[in-house]
Amino acid sequence: SAVISQKPSRDICQRGTSLTIQCQVDSQVTMMFWYRQQPGQSLTLIATANQGSEATYESGFVIDKFPISRPNLTFSTLTVSNMSPEDSSIYLCSVQRDRGREDTQYFGPGTRLTVL
Amino acid sequence: AQSVTQPDIHITVSEGASLELRCNYSYGATPYLFWYVQSPGQGLQLLLKYFSGDTLVQGIKGFEAEFKRSQSSFNLRKPSVHWSDAAEYFCAVGATGAGSYQLTFGKGTKLSVIP
Repeated sequence: SAVISQKPSRDICQRGTSLTIQCQVDSQVTMMFWYRQQPGQSLTLIATANQGSEATYESGFVIDKFPISRPNLTFSTLTVSNMSPEDSSIYLCSVQRDRGREDTQYFGPGTRLTVL
Repeated sequence: AQSVTQPDIHITVSEGASLELRCNYSYGATPYLFWYVQSPGQGLQLLLKYFSGDTLVQGIKGFEAEFKRSQSSFNLRKPSVHWSDAAEYFCAVGATGAGSYQLTFGKGTKLSVIP
């Protein structure tokens, strides 16, 4: 398995501001992903964080709104930019250790964001 | 595109009773299938997974699931529910892509347990 930590665990922010969420893994992993879970909803994949290149975004998500960095194989950040109340969600990081293999995706504890 | 349906939004069972949570998927090839559990205020914990092979999969905490290709289903079962099983359960399908797979989740089933 993988031990994943996220910072902050929760935050309350004002509209129009930005928040950067950190995801740290205890060992090197090949794949890192960012998901959003809106209140009472399921999880939706935002993007795949690629080490050394731009993230791959899913339909409906854009880099200007959700810039992602992945400087190495154990760390990634997701920024929620110019926030509005609709961005209030839980944001989860997930990792997969190996690429191209039948490996499990493990999830971090999530960051609970409230935008006022 | 793949999709997952969990037809039961909320299920209530008595402690000690058996449990079955339903999951149906839509995917053009043999899928990777998963069940995750989310306790209040927590992240997701993997209960079990199916990649290939034996269609009856054993997981943690006494859970099992059976992949039925003909019914496009992957239902989760437990013979005797404990109060600590109260949580939200998500079924997910993994669509294989370039070197990895992407998870698509169902909307979840909330399980309540009556003492």
